[in-house]
Amino acid sequence: KNEVEQSPQNLTAQEGEFITINCSYSVGISALHWLQQHPGGGIVSLFMLSSGKKKHGRLIATINIQEKHSSLHITASHPRDSAVYICAVTNEKLTFGTGTRLTIIP
Amino acid sequence: KAGVTQTPRYLIKTRGQQVTLSCSPISGHRSVSWYQQTPGQGLQFLFEYFSETQRNKGNFPGRFSGRQFSNSRSEMNVSTLELGDSALYLCASRGGGLTDTQYFGPGTRLTVL
Repeated sequence: KNEVEQSPQNLTAQEGEFITINCSYSVGISALHWLQQHPGGGIVSLFMLSSGKKKHGRLIATINIQEKHSSLHITASHPRDSAVYICAVTNEKLTFGTGTRLTIIP
Repeated sequence: KAGVTQTPRYLIKTRGQQVTLSCSPISGHRSVSWYQQTPGQGLQFLFEYFSETQRNKGNFPGRFSGRQFSNSRSEMNVSTLELGDSALYLCASRGGGLTDTQYFGPGTRLTVL
């Protein structure tokens, strides 16, 4: 079993829809990261969380330490949000989930 | 501030050869980590260097090695290349704390023929 599990693996939605991507982990962590990877490979760090909730524009990330679970929400989704979203946890090193491929259709 | 840079961006090698990849971190960052990304295994941690010392290492064979220079620039070397080493190799830099945000470079795409 992977230490970091993401769901769904693939998600297709219409422009404007509310998107939720989930991440569960099984190890002790000092922080959880949400990353975005566009075609071509570049990775951008969206959020780093150790508790609670963070918001940046239309993106919201939450974490429940007791349940070892985090969610990434996108409000009013747009085709430019189409990317792979990767959850990663820090426990001395970064351990990654397998990613969620999000496609937003105009 | 300039971002993380990696050279070369693309590389084609044949089995048995060796390769060296380079990573220049964001100015002031002392930690550089290396990752391998493949379609089958996803992103995997290779190693992290901090102030010229390897701070952490992933589960990769000894053919994969790295080093960091006094200016924090880092190199990664893979010897005796195998077809399975074909991957996108990413480096990321951060200030130094384990929970500092990592900033990723664009990656080096290595193809082994």
